Order: sequence, then C-alpha cells, then structure tokens
Amino acid sequence: DIQMTQSPSSVSASVGDRVTITCRASQVISRWLAWYQQKPGKAPNLLIYDASTLQSGVPSRFSGSGSGTDFTLTISSLQPEDFAIYYCQQANSFPLTFGGGTKVEIK
Amino acid sequence: EVQLVESGGGLVQPGGSLRLSCAASGFNFSASWMTWVRQAPGEGLEWVANIKQDGSEKYYEDSVKGRFTISRDNAQNSLYLQMNSLRAEDTAVYYCARERGPASHFDYWGQGTLVTVSS
Repeated sequence: DIQMTQSPSSVSASVGDRVTITCRASQVISRWLAWYQQKPGKAPNLLIYDASTLQSGVPSRFSGSGSGTDFTLTISSLQPEDFAIYYCQQANSFPLTFGGGTKVEIK
Repeated sequence: EVQLVESGGGLVQPGGSLRLSCAASGFNFSASWMTWVRQAPGEGLEWVANIKQDGSEKYYEDSVKGRFTISRDNAQNSLYLQMNSLRAEDTAVYYCARERGPASHFDYWGQGTLVTVSS
C-alpha cells in the first residue's frame, strides 16, 4: 500500500498569511494526487486534483504542485473561511489512501 | 445540482449487519465510478470500496474484504454498502462519493451517515 505522510500535522496562521502544506508518498505516484478541505461536521471538498488542477469553483488562492513523491498545497493569502483540515489523497493505485491531515488553525 | 444522500446508518452490535444506501441525482450516475469513504470519530479519511459504472469491477480496502459488499442499481440511481460481521473499529461516518475513474479523486460527496458498532 502507498503511505501518504502530511506535514505539519497542524499550523497556526493569521488571515493574510501564506500557508504551505506538504504531502509525501511512500512510492512514486506521478501526478496522481488530490487535495481536500474539510470543515467540522461537513464532508470533504475537492480542491485540487492531478497535483495542480484547480477544481471548478475553488478560489485561485489555492494552488498545488509536485510530482513523483513530493507534493505541496499552498494557500497564498489565508482567509477566515480557510481554517479547516486539509487532506491529500493518492489516486495512483488501489487501495486509495489519504494523508493524516493538516489542521490550519487561527493564530 | 448534484446530490448524494446517504441513509441506513445507526447503532448495531458487534457481529451484526447493516446496509447503507446512497441516492444520487443531478449527474449521470450510470456513467460514474462510485466509492465509499469512512471517517472514524476524530480521525482521518479512509477509502473503503468502489465500483465501476456497470458493477463489473469492485475494489475493497483490506480490512473490509469478505465482510463488506458494494453494489449499485443504475435504474434507481443508487449505491449500496452491505456491511456484515461488523466490528467496533468499523464505527465511523460513511460517505458516498463520485469517483472520476478507477483509482481517481472524488469530486462530489454526500453528507455522510454514522455507523456505530457497540454493545
């Protein structure tokens, strides 16, 4: 199985800050990586797929990069509605696996 | 508008069974791979199983193989998860989601249904 490791597990930031979350796969997954945002009590919401393609309707302050085993999600200017938990997911092979999550908290 | 509405969750004793349903609307259900993802209380996301458009291919996470069965009824735009021999560690919110192909990402999600396995 492909293990997905996210870092940090939590980050404290202020509105307007640039936030970067990393995700590392235990083996090469090309660009088959997605990012999700989850708010308390809600279902996850797809932000980015194929490592860098922005899902329709997602604000452009979100961006993704990387290939192979190392990937990054960047929020260019953190907004109040962005405080949430973010998950990466590999879409390379079964079983599909998620990272452990990164909680973005208010500083 | 795309809608995925799960139902069938509840409290069940260890060793018991439960059948989850997911009613889909607003997209071409019969042309879509579909998946179940679960989330234990306070924990992260875990993919459970998925199924091809015509039901001819199904994949499962190892811990549910032989206990859970995913199925679909394209005429009813419905997805199912039959869960047998339930264990305490199956306690979670179960989400159905549309998957953009085999081994892909999930672009639409339901609101989830809670399954609690406890005596």
